[in-house]
Amino acid sequence: AQKVTQAQTEISVVEKEDVTLDCVYETRDTTYYLFWYKQPPSGELVFLIRRNSFDEQNEISGRYSWNFQKSTSSFNFTITASQVVDSAVYFCALSEALSNTGKLIFGQGTTLQVKP
Amino acid sequence: GAVVSQHPSWVICKSGTSVKIECRSLDFQATTMFWYRQFPKQSLMLMATSNEGSKATYEQGVEKDKFLINHASLTLSTLTVTSAHPEDSSFYICSARAPAGGLISGNTIYFGEGSWLTVV
Repeated sequence: AQKVTQAQTEISVVEKEDVTLDCVYETRDTTYYLFWYKQPPSGELVFLIRRNSFDEQNEISGRYSWNFQKSTSSFNFTITASQVVDSAVYFCALSEALSNTGKLIFGQGTTLQVKP
Repeated sequence: GAVVSQHPSWVICKSGTSVKIECRSLDFQATTMFWYRQFPKQSLMLMATSNEGSKATYEQGVEKDKFLINHASLTLSTLTVTSAHPEDSSFYICSARAPAGGLISGNTIYFGEGSWLTVV
């Protein structure tokens, strides 16, 4: 069965600190996709990244970076020099090959609070 | 702009009544849409897969007679919460997968803005 675990329920940092959000997944599929979404208090899901199982290259986008390690089934997300606007709930999600479906299995979410 | 649109964003209804939430794909045709529910401070849980022209596929534990899903066209899926009760108060959000080869990024999953339902 597919499963996503975000062990950190809440994280609180002070502005400008770096913070890493952990994500560990389980799947028997050889082809799958991993996602990160940001959910501000208004509720909408803001897409951050999609990574397929064959691409283990780490990715950097501005202050955001992602570390995909198939050996440990982890897909961690780091925010560098955090800002107050980064405060939100962050979800890691998993789906099987998108050509077959599109449904996502979400982790429990990590609430990030960035204090000024 | 929004690729998947949900309506209404907020709805308050009386206990025992029914409420309908719409999910529209704006720039592509979606043969499959998904409905999720999120209780306060919890994760998003898949409720059902909405299939155009056929019956929805419900996840275990989701009452199909209570949460009616209709996917009558390639751009619209509706979720009707029948005989709503306060425990149905939640955030409902839909998603759709854009097909490959279209004008927008193929095989990308787009989420609607979500709908907050409060049953009083």
